[in-house]
Amino acid sequence: AQSVTQLDSQVPVFEEAPVELRCNYSSSVSVYLFWYVQYPNQGLQLLLKYLSGSTLVKSINGFEAEFNKSQTSFHLRKPSVHISDTAEYFCAVSDGGATNKLIFGTGTLLAVQP
Amino acid sequence: NAGVTQTPKFQVLKTGQSMTLQCAQDMNHNSMYWYRQDPGMGLRLIYYSASEGTTDKGEVPNGYNVSRLNKREFSLRLESAAPSQTSVYFCASNVGWTDTQYFGPGTRLTVL
Repeated sequence: AQSVTQLDSQVPVFEEAPVELRCNYSSSVSVYLFWYVQYPNQGLQLLLKYLSGSTLVKSINGFEAEFNKSQTSFHLRKPSVHISDTAEYFCAVSDGGATNKLIFGTGTLLAVQP
Repeated sequence: NAGVTQTPKFQVLKTGQSMTLQCAQDMNHNSMYWYRQDPGMGLRLIYYSASEGTTDKGEVPNGYNVSRLNKREFSLRLESAAPSQTSVYFCASNVGWTDTQYFGPGTRLTVL
């Protein structure tokens, strides 16, 4: 069975500092990986995804994630965070198929401090 | 486009009461999903509908039923609410497996 592990429940960081949110997955089949972001009192929004091709994927607001098959990881990074990046970040894995059922990690709260 | 809409936004129930959470999407998506979100547990899939006329159980279906009324609407029913069903419920939809899932704003349900 597939699973996703986000070891850090909360990551405090100062504004303009770099950040890495860790995500590891387990799967016996090909995987498709996603990062979703949830701002306070809102639904989830896709941040970026890996389906195939280049293992480094980027979002429009400066986040990037690298698919590492040997380490079964898909860590999310940003070189310089802003106060507005404060949110909960969820890593998710899908094995494809007609329904795209997603298995979510438990989430990491990124708390950016001035 | 309104995207994915959910009603109500908030609801308080007493144990044993029933209610239906409504979800609608205007993006002509084939697949729709119901999740619940609990602190420290991420999102867990309750039921999904791969296409109009089909529904299947997800990870935590017990105590819930669903109806895919048409291509736009997918409702979630609690027949006899229990305190363990206190949660935030999200509906989502997408076209197919490579497509992003689009989420609604959520329904915050409290069962006393």
